[in-house]
Amino acid sequence: KAGVTQTPRYLIKTRGQQVTLSCSPISGHRSVSWYQQTPGQGLQFLFEYFSETQRNKGNFPGRFSGRQFSNSRSEMNVSTLELGDSALYLCASSPTGGAGDTQYFGPGTRLTVL
Amino acid sequence: AQSVTQLDSHVSVSEGTPVLLRCNYSSSYSPSLFWYVQHPNKGLQLLLKYTSAATLVKGINGFEAEFKKSETSFHLTKPSAHMSDAAEYFCVVSPRMDSSYKLIFGSGTRLLVRP
Repeated sequence: KAGVTQTPRYLIKTRGQQVTLSCSPISGHRSVSWYQQTPGQGLQFLFEYFSETQRNKGNFPGRFSGRQFSNSRSEMNVSTLELGDSALYLCASSPTGGAGDTQYFGPGTRLTVL
Repeated sequence: AQSVTQLDSHVSVSEGTPVLLRCNYSSSYSPSLFWYVQHPNKGLQLLLKYTSAATLVKGINGFEAEFKKSETSFHLTKPSAHMSDAAEYFCVVSPRMDSSYKLIFGSGTRLLVRP
């Protein structure tokens, strides 16, 4: 089976712009989660989707949003970019997202905001 | 509330010597516990997983971890370090009775392997 794929792998944007990141889960997985990784804050949960519904959202401002499509692919969007949004954004998929499910991570999208 | 504490931010070992990466967790309910590894500029790879079956869990690349409820610990070990083990390791908890659908990550331990 193909793993979790994320596109693009690298992005450079300037402050004030917006960006959309994409994640394709492992075939058959219906849960997709997003995490932000920075040197200062570590790995932080952004949100989780299952069957096109957001089930939980982390403590991030409303500039961060996401969605999931009927084929389980997911996108996240960050509007009005700030320097502090520079990070590695990781997507993970699992069959149901439930406790005990193994979450499989993609390689990440490295976002740099100038 | 659930949390994970990785007791060492950096661990340095010589190639061929044992590895011990320490992790303590806090959870109201019996959790699922994971160890993931991240090599530079890569995503996270699952090393092993505990879900209340055997308390000693064997993972990939010779790693194993022991769940000790009385000590609320889930330390990661390997008998003999290899240069390719140099990476960052994350201890992760997934609360069982919590419908948050999220993983809670420790702050990570960077493993350095000296030749």
